Amino acid sequence: AQKITQTQPGMFVQEKEAVTLDCTYDTSDPSYGLFWYKQPSSGEMIFLIYQGSYDQQNATEGRYSLNFQKARKSANLVISASQLGDSAMYFCAMPRGGATNKLIFGTGTLLAVQP
Amino acid sequence: DTGVSQDPRHKITKRGQNVTFRCDPISEHNRLYWYRQTLGQGPEFLTYFQNEAQLEKSRLLSDRFSAERPKGSFSTLEIQRTEQGDSAMYLCASRRDTDYEQYFGPGTRLTVT
Repeated sequence: AQKITQTQPGMFVQEKEAVTLDCTYDTSDPSYGLFWYKQPSSGEMIFLIYQGSYDQQNATEGRYSLNFQKARKSANLVISASQLGDSAMYFCAMPRGGATNKLIFGTGTLLAVQP
Repeated sequence: DTGVSQDPRHKITKRGQNVTFRCDPISEHNRLYWYRQTLGQGPEFLTYFQNEAQLEKSRLLSDRFSAERPKGSFSTLEIQRTEQGDSAMYLCASRRDTDYEQYFGPGTRLTVT
């Protein structure tokens, strides 16, 4: 069965600095994907970035990039040039597999950006 | 912006009452998901619709929970005889067949007193 592990309950970063949020996963599927979502205090889950297991290059979306290391089963999110508005919960997720592609989530990392 | 919408955003109810939540997915998305999120946890899958067909239900979805998606458009999630343990954020998400990412609504925060 798939499993997502986020070992950092909370992180601090200074504004304008880069920060890495860790995510490790476990799956027996040969093909899979990994997602990162941001959840501000308002509660909405905002899609940030997706990485497919067969993608040759690490995914990037603006200030977000994924440090995907397949052999280590890790998919860490890198946020460059942190902004105050980046303060939020961040969740790593992957589809459980099968036809539904329902997502399983880690427990999240609370990021606080300090001025 | 025609993102996923949910109504109501907040609901406070007394134990034993019935509640119903609504989700309007992005219009061209035929796949719809409900998740539940309790404090300090990531969302957990509840149920899934492809068009109007409910194709999967989690074991978390007890007999007191029912979900529908008539005509494959909006969806409703009803909880009967609410219990304090039902207090949570209920999130709806939708996606297209051709996309991987699910787009979430703002959620309905339920408090059972």
